Amino acid sequence: DAGVTQSPTHLIKTRGQQVTLRCSPKSGHDTVSWYQQALGQGPQFIFQYYEEEERQRGNFPDRFSGHQFPNYSSELNVNALLLGDSALYLCASSRWGLANTGELFFGEGSRLTVL
Amino acid sequence: AQSVTQLDSHVSVSEGTPVLLRCNYSSSYSPSLFWYVQHPNKGLQLLLKYTSAATLVKGINGFEAEFKKSETSFHLTKPSAHMSDAAEYFCVVSLQPGFDTGFQKLVFGTGTRLLVSP
Repeated sequence: DAGVTQSPTHLIKTRGQQVTLRCSPKSGHDTVSWYQQALGQGPQFIFQYYEEEERQRGNFPDRFSGHQFPNYSSELNVNALLLGDSALYLCASSRWGLANTGELFFGEGSRLTVL
Repeated sequence: AQSVTQLDSHVSVSEGTPVLLRCNYSSSYSPSLFWYVQHPNKGLQLLLKYTSAATLVKGINGFEAEFKKSETSFHLTKPSAHMSDAAEYFCVVSLQPGFDTGFQKLVFGTGTRLLVSP
């Protein structure tokens, strides 16, 4: 049973560029959340997707956008990259509704470096 | 607003000695609390969770935590540390009082790095 998979694992971009990160949820999960973890800090909630819609959003600018596909996989897009966007981006999956156990299953993350 | 405070940024123990990682929470309702562990270059793994059932929660790898409402604490303990326990530990509170709506936003503490020496 595959867990949450993310790609790419590492990438380097320059300021002003755009980046797309990808996530496949754990089998049986239909909800995907994205978190940003800056170096030395705890993860911060970016947004959550269910039924291909953004359901909730954290305190992140519109440069951060996402998408969820019919197969429940998800993408995180960041436009006009800033140095401060350098971080580990974590994808987490869960099940919506009564089946939700309260636990999020995390992938190993995509480490983005902005130069 | 819901938040957690991890009282120690680093904790150092010797292998075989007890582990105590401290966490205080703030919540306007009965919270759901979690401990996650992150090994280097790995994703986050759930150690244990408290969701208003038993106040003493047992998790994986011999870890446990006790919910103390009077002290607003949720400290993580283990009787005997192992070298493989060296990692970053996060105390986490859920902003959603119940899970039936599906939406869940986790608020993480700043983390405690556990160092285990031989």
